[in-house]
Amino acid sequence: GQSLEQPSEVTAVEGAIVQINCTYQTSGFYGLSWYQQHDGGAPTFLSYNGLDGLEETGRFSSFLSRSDSYGYLLLQELQMKDSASYFCDLNRDDKIIFGKGTRLHILP
Amino acid sequence: DVKVTQSSRYLVKRTGEKVFLECVQDMDHENMFWYRQDPGLGLRLIYFSYDVKMKEKGDIPEGYSVSREKKERFSLILESASTNQTSMYLCASTSTGDTEAFFGQGTRLTVV
Repeated sequence: GQSLEQPSEVTAVEGAIVQINCTYQTSGFYGLSWYQQHDGGAPTFLSYNGLDGLEETGRFSSFLSRSDSYGYLLLQELQMKDSASYFCDLNRDDKIIFGKGTRLHILP
Repeated sequence: DVKVTQSSRYLVKRTGEKVFLECVQDMDHENMFWYRQDPGLGLRLIYFSYDVKMKEKGDIPEGYSVSREKKERFSLILESASTNQTSMYLCASTSTGDTEAFFGQGTRLTVV
């Protein structure tokens, strides 16, 4: 089986840095992805980690450690528009399984 | 510009009705997915398909069926709608070997 755990909510201040964690239990997968979803919108792809380590894309970075069954999304220089839900997901045999999502609240 | 299109943004149906949710993608993707999204439960996989006329059950297939007669179209069918199927339904597609899934805008279905 497989399951992903994320915190349900995280709160941070505009301009700060926030980390959203994702832990998983699975017997094998290709990689870990992250998606962003604004209220009323569709999820959109943010990043993918196929290998262990850090991937950086502008203000967003994502990390994967297969030995620790753990990954995270790091958002820097937070902006109010980053207020959204963030989902981690596992790619396995062309089947995509999502975590329950983390709601990010940003305070001015 | 890549696109996944769901036929309806909002839908209201009566209990017991047969409901069809349509999804079309224009990216020649092999894989297509149907999820439902409910508060606090995230996106749960209902069914997916990796080829025409192929289908696989996801985590919550009960009460649903699917049809994939053409590569670009993946339909979700509620044989007899019930109030507990009131939800947001999201369709997605991917190309085999690619990591990025593309989503439709969702269909908010209310069963009364």
